[in-house]
Amino acid sequence: QSVLTQPPSVSGAPGQRVTISCTGSSSNIGAGSDVHWYQQLPGTAPKLLIYVNTNRPSGVADRFSGSRSGTSASLAISGLQAEDEADYYCQSYDTSLSACVFGGGTKLTVL
Amino acid sequence: QVQLQESGPGLVNPSGTLSLTCAVSGGSITSSKWWSWVRQPPGKGLEWIGEIYHSGNTNYNPSLKSRVTISVDKSKNQFSLKLSSVTAADTAVYYCARVAQAVAGSQFDYWGQGTLVTVSS
Repeated sequence: QSVLTQPPSVSGAPGQRVTISCTGSSSNIGAGSDVHWYQQLPGTAPKLLIYVNTNRPSGVADRFSGSRSGTSASLAISGLQAEDEADYYCQSYDTSLSACVFGGGTKLTVL
Repeated sequence: QVQLQESGPGLVNPSGTLSLTCAVSGGSITSSKWWSWVRQPPGKGLEWIGEIYHSGNTNYNPSLKSRVTISVDKSKNQFSLKLSSVTAADTAVYYCARVAQAVAGSQFDYWGQGTLVTVSS
């Protein structure tokens, strides 16, 4: 059971907007720990998508955006494209565990 | 451009010790960064194993702490992972990664390609 909870799967048609939630607790996101997001294409290493809640690394499309509020965070993907089909993971820091923690991952299917 | 490359045996006997090395190129391991190990069992999610600073300071996942040792070799610009008393549950793709900032919970900005380690006799 992951410390951060993500929906196992989400889906959307090309061009649509989808959001992926990441729910934590008062010992991680709720404690003010930053949230980062990764995209993992099949058979490849994770790629940093969003860092420190809302920031995009150079080269990441502005179709990807992040937000954080209370004990949760969200990743939004607008203008869905077939190439966005991947697994997405959130990451934060848990102050009780004194450890980096990941969400269980969400598989995005582009219909 | 920083690059990381994992290496080590792809098959480890149960109760044995898993040993992996991550070679860093395009940057110095003595830069003000932490260096980390993350693993992913087949078909499952990511799990943080631990991290090391070039000074030798380490932080480990409490769930693995009793079995994990991470070390650094500055002369070779690489860091290593040892995981003892392995079982089939330790079968996973093991990634090395660079921690972007020297603060707890910082993001991983560079990743190795990963190496599959299978625990089996």
